[in-house]
Amino acid sequence: KAGVTQTPRYLIKTRGQQVTLSCSPISGHRSVSWYQQTPGQGLQFLFEYFSETQRNKGNFPGRFSGRQFSNSRSEMNVSTLELGDSALYLCASSSAGLGNADTQYFGPGTRLTVL
Amino acid sequence: KQEVTQIPAALSVPEGENLVLNCSFTDSAIYNLQWFRQDPGKGLTSLLLIQSSQREQTSGRLNASLDKSSGRSTLYIAASQPGDSATYLCAPVDSSYKLIFGSGTRLLVRP
Repeated sequence: KAGVTQTPRYLIKTRGQQVTLSCSPISGHRSVSWYQQTPGQGLQFLFEYFSETQRNKGNFPGRFSGRQFSNSRSEMNVSTLELGDSALYLCASSSAGLGNADTQYFGPGTRLTVL
Repeated sequence: KQEVTQIPAALSVPEGENLVLNCSFTDSAIYNLQWFRQDPGKGLTSLLLIQSSQREQTSGRLNASLDKSSGRSTLYIAASQPGDSATYLCAPVDSSYKLIFGSGTRLLVRP
């Protein structure tokens, strides 16, 4: 079974631009959650999607948004990029989502650098 | 607000040693707790998941325990190997259905 895939793996953008990251979950998984990892703040929860609905959201500004498609693939969008958005963005998938006895499987991440 | 603390922040041991990594969390109302490892620049690999009703889980040389009432979990690694070198993260799913991570323990196993 293929694991969680994320594209692109690396991205360089400039301040003010917007970016879209993609995550394909493990086949059959309906939950996708997103995380931001920085040296200063560690791993922080962004949001979780389940069956195309956002089920939960972390404490991030509205510039961070996401969506999930009917095939469970998810995209995350960051608008008006700031230098502080430079991070490793990780997505994770699971069958039934957070709150269930469900292992979270992580992708390799997208390394975003904002210049 | 759930806060997760991992002690020690870094650990260096010779190969073959048994070791214990500690994780504490402030809100005992958790659904489950997961331990992960992360290699430099990579994603997270799930090691063990303990449901809130369980006391421990084992996988190979790894054993994780959970004491929900005291807000603590430990990861025991037996007979450590250089390939175990990585950052180990614990993460409970809290009452708001969010996976909350500790800052991790960076482990180096010396040959």
